Amino acid sequence: DVKVTQSSRYLVKRTGEKVFLECVQDMDHENMFWYRQDPGLGLRLIYFSYDVKMKEKGDIPEGYSVSREKKERFSLILESASTNQTSMYLCASSSLKLQGANEQYFGPGTRLTVT
Amino acid sequence: GQNIDQPTEMTATEGAIVQINCTYQTSGFNGLFWYQQHAGEAPTFLSYNVLDGLEEKGRFSSFLSRSKGYSYLLLKELQMKDSASYLCAVRELTTDSWGKFQFGAGTQVVVTP
Repeated sequence: DVKVTQSSRYLVKRTGEKVFLECVQDMDHENMFWYRQDPGLGLRLIYFSYDVKMKEKGDIPEGYSVSREKKERFSLILESASTNQTSMYLCASSSLKLQGANEQYFGPGTRLTVT
Repeated sequence: GQNIDQPTEMTATEGAIVQINCTYQTSGFNGLFWYQQHAGEAPTFLSYNVLDGLEEKGRFSSFLSRSKGYSYLLLKELQMKDSASYLCAVRELTTDSWGKFQFGAGTQVVVTP
């Protein structure tokens, strides 16, 4: 079974703090993604990566950065947390095979509250 | 996702059938996905369509028409455990991006006894 793990289920940080969210997958997937999920807005893509050290901006990258130094690990960094970054953060991974669905597998999510 | 539309909520009784529609606009279609998400949990993969037609998987079926930018998820013989949010997602393939997913806001299905 594919397993995607995230470092924390719940996190409370103060405005201005630097926040690190870690995601690890154990299926040797090439693609990894970071989303935030807010009521009524659905899942919005922040950043994704299709290879080590490669990254692409998603729809809402402002205020975030990412790091992928190893294939299995994809980190999301909030350089200076703000209250509007309070949200549920979901990490996902998928393979890059030529055929098949290559569906995304999601981690359990991190509910971040910025006060 | 702003280019993917699905209803906000649907209610149905146990044992009934519910059809969730999804319309989308994309410049580089590379597959349509349905995910199920229970409250407080991560989304889980339900179905995938890349060619036109119907894909059946037990009580769940998904249909795709690429020319119309339209898909539906059909849930048959509804059970209480089917109460969840159902997310429609489109994977895009463009010249500068591979494998980017756009998600709809989700349809909350409420199954009543």
